[in-house]
Amino acid sequence: DTGVSQDPRHKITKRGQNVTFRCDPISEHNRLYWYRQTLGQGPEFLTYFQNEAQLEKSRLLSDRFSAERPKGSFSTLEIQRTEQGDSAMYLCASSPGRIFGTQYFGPGTRLLVL
Amino acid sequence: DAKTTQPNSMESNEEEPVHLPCNHSTISGTDYIHWYRQLPSQGPEYVIHGLTSNVNNRMASLAIAEDRKSSTLILHRATLRDAAVYYCILRGGSSNTGKLIFGQGTTLQVKP
Repeated sequence: DTGVSQDPRHKITKRGQNVTFRCDPISEHNRLYWYRQTLGQGPEFLTYFQNEAQLEKSRLLSDRFSAERPKGSFSTLEIQRTEQGDSAMYLCASSPGRIFGTQYFGPGTRLLVL
Repeated sequence: DAKTTQPNSMESNEEEPVHLPCNHSTISGTDYIHWYRQLPSQGPEYVIHGLTSNVNNRMASLAIAEDRKSSTLILHRATLRDAAVYYCILRGGSSNTGKLIFGQGTTLQVKP
């Protein structure tokens, strides 16, 4: 069990550019979540995968955002045409089995849009 | 989703017990009470959870009021490494994804 990993840890980009983040969950965890956290606030739910199926998307996830989890393993979160308001920490969590089981979080990817 | 209310911040001295309160007056009968904490520059981590009875684990204890409208996370001997934001979260009800709904949490400062 190596924990949830996220890559990159930091990303600085210019407004209008596309960025992609990767999350590697704990092996055999079938549930995967993405959250976004801005300074001084608690994390906010973005989207949820059960295996490869994306089963819920928050209204926060505008059409510039897309997430995938091919083959039910790692996941990617892409933001197209980034805006300054996208600057935040993007957190990934995975969970085994039960729907209300413990979620294990990665260290996050901090995005700064200039 | 049922809402929780926590103080914005609390202070404690090192090696003293800390009691972090959480109010959840609209809790439903099927909601579990979960606590997560977030150390500086890290993702949140699970602390403890319970339904009705008090719970203990190696990190903390959870005391749940008899009417379940409030709970208290107890750190028995605070250390400097316990300085973090503590989130009280209700899970259950109509959710079919298990997503966590975080509030602003309580920022715990531990003084040496």
